[in-house]
Amino acid sequence: DQQVKQNSPSLSVQEGRISILNCDYTNSMFDYFLWYKKYPAEGPTFLISISSIKDKNEDGRFTVFLNKSAKHLSLHIVPSQPGDSAVYFCAAAFNKFYFGSGTKLNVKP
Amino acid sequence: DVKVTQSSRYLVKRTGEKVFLECVQDMDHENMFWYRQDPGLGLRLIYFSYDVKMKEKGDIPEGYSVSREKKERFSLILESASTNQTSMYLCASSSDRPGADTQYFGPGTRLTVL
Repeated sequence: DQQVKQNSPSLSVQEGRISILNCDYTNSMFDYFLWYKKYPAEGPTFLISISSIKDKNEDGRFTVFLNKSAKHLSLHIVPSQPGDSAVYFCAAAFNKFYFGSGTKLNVKP
Repeated sequence: DVKVTQSSRYLVKRTGEKVFLECVQDMDHENMFWYRQDPGLGLRLIYFSYDVKMKEKGDIPEGYSVSREKKERFSLILESASTNQTSMYLCASSSDRPGADTQYFGPGTRLTVL
């Protein structure tokens, strides 16, 4: 039973536009949420995180939004660049990490 | 910079073989983790360790064991490899427990069991 779900396996966006990646979770005990980015043949790298006491965290082109009532997390990338093309995993933490299945983002030049 | 290294990038083994996957981190992290990544399933936790000689089962420990004799090294062992263990294996480490710190991942080992 997956506690963290990414329902879109893939997303295609034009360069310069906004990319929105979504993630839903079921466990209200999660207190920390993260996004990781993964290129082929490499391990995931940490991108951005948010504590459950916040609803928004921004780092350059990347913004994570947390809606606790809806148990929903989203990552916004503005503007999207071709180098952002990768698989994005969301993760939630409570004693251990729980990962979503990933969304493959393709940013077209 | 945190560095997590894994002994092999690609490995091909036969059914029934004993397989060792090694992971080393150089940042004196207390916590180490083994995941496998499969298409459509994301990262699933196999085993983790919060201290030397300590190990805890994750979500899918069946068919695996681990060893942590030194703080920097965490080994994953497939006692008798099977074809359903063909996967990408990822090792990670962190300085604090989940929720207080992120994890740093190695490059992964692509294991094929024939």
